[in-house]
Amino acid sequence: DIQMTQSPSSLSASVGDRVTITCRASQGISNYLAWFQQKPGKAPKSLIYAASSLQSGVPSKFSGSGSGTDFTLTISSLQPEDFATYYCQQYNSYPWTFGQGTKVEIK
Amino acid sequence: QVQLVESGGGVVQPGGSLRLSCAASGFTFSSYGMHWVRQAPGKGLEWVAFIRYDGSNKYYADSVKGRFTISRDNSKNTLYLQMNSLRAEDTAVYYCAKDKYDILTGYYHLGNWGQGTLVTVSS
Repeated sequence: DIQMTQSPSSLSASVGDRVTITCRASQGISNYLAWFQQKPGKAPKSLIYAASSLQSGVPSKFSGSGSGTDFTLTISSLQPEDFATYYCQQYNSYPWTFGQGTKVEIK
Repeated sequence: QVQLVESGGGVVQPGGSLRLSCAASGFTFSSYGMHWVRQAPGKGLEWVAFIRYDGSNKYYADSVKGRFTISRDNSKNTLYLQMNSLRAEDTAVYYCAKDKYDILTGYYHLGNWGQGTLVTVSS
């Protein structure tokens, strides 16, 4: 199975900060990588697929990059509604696997 | 718009069984693969199972293989998860999710999600 490792596990940031979350796959997954945002008590929401493609309706402050084993999610200017937990997920091969999550908290 | 509504969760004893349902609307259900994903209390997301649009292919996480069965009824626009031999570690919110096609890569990824149904395995 492909292991997905996110870092950091949590971070504290201020409104307006630029935030970067990294995700590493245990083997190459080309660009078959998605990012999700989850707020407490809510279902995950898809942000990015194919490593860098924004889902319809997702604001452009979110961006993704990477290919192979190393990927990043960047939030260009953190807003109050962005405080949440973010997950990466590979869909290169079954079983699909998620990273452990990165909790973005208010500083 | 796409709507996925899970039901069937509840409290069950270890070793017991439960069947979850996911009622789909707002899209042509019979044209899309479907997934179950779960989240234990306070933990991360775990992909559980997938079924192809026509039911011809199914995949499972190792943690549920041999105990859980994914199925679908395209005439009822409904996805199912039959869960047998339940264990305490199966306690989680179970989400159904729809495949979304990426025309550039030709691959499917997770698109819309339901709101989830809570399964608690406890004596």
